Amino acid sequence: QKEVEQNSGPLSVPEGAIASLNCTYSDRGSQSFFWYRQYSGKSPELIMFIYSNGDKEDGRFTAQLNKASQYVSLLIRDSQPSDSATYLCAVNVGGTYKYIFGTGTRLKVLA
Amino acid sequence: NAGVTQTPKFRILKIGQSMTLQCAQDMNHNYMYWYRQDPGMGLKLIYYSVGAGITDKGEVPNGYNVSRSTTEDFPLRLELAAPSQTSVYFCASRGDRGADYGYTFGSGTRLTVV
Repeated sequence: QKEVEQNSGPLSVPEGAIASLNCTYSDRGSQSFFWYRQYSGKSPELIMFIYSNGDKEDGRFTAQLNKASQYVSLLIRDSQPSDSATYLCAVNVGGTYKYIFGTGTRLKVLA
Repeated sequence: NAGVTQTPKFRILKIGQSMTLQCAQDMNHNYMYWYRQDPGMGLKLIYYSVGAGITDKGEVPNGYNVSRSTTEDFPLRLELAAPSQTSVYFCASRGDRGADYGYTFGSGTRLTVV
């Protein structure tokens, strides 16, 4: 059974700080990695995707991928109260078009 | 641009009843997916499709069926509803290149089986 694991949180950070969210996965064949944000009662929305080892930056968000250690992380710089949400990590099952999700980390940014 | 449209938004079913959750996308995406999300949990893949006429099982397919007769539509059928199927159901689609590679989700169907 392929697995994606996230700490459920809540992760509380003060406004303006860096929030660091982590995700580990079990399938060494996984090639595509996604971060989604989900506000309470809403559908998930894509924040970033990453395929290659290293960092990928988009505005205040940075995704980091380490395939050797099988983890992917999301950094949110200058965290804002509007960033308070659940962040879901999704990973493809190697060799397939299936994507499985972690249970999500709830982030609370304190004003 | 409507994106992914799911209907209905809410539904209450009695045990043993059947229903179809509708999903339609207007982005010409080949890949479509059905997930369920239980309270406080992540999304579990039910079924997916890589194109018209092609479907495959996900992590939790039991009690569900799908069909994909057109690129646009991917309905999910619940047969003999059970309380364990109480959940929020999300349909998603994605393209196969660039920024289109991530999922676009519908707004969800909240289903209660009583």
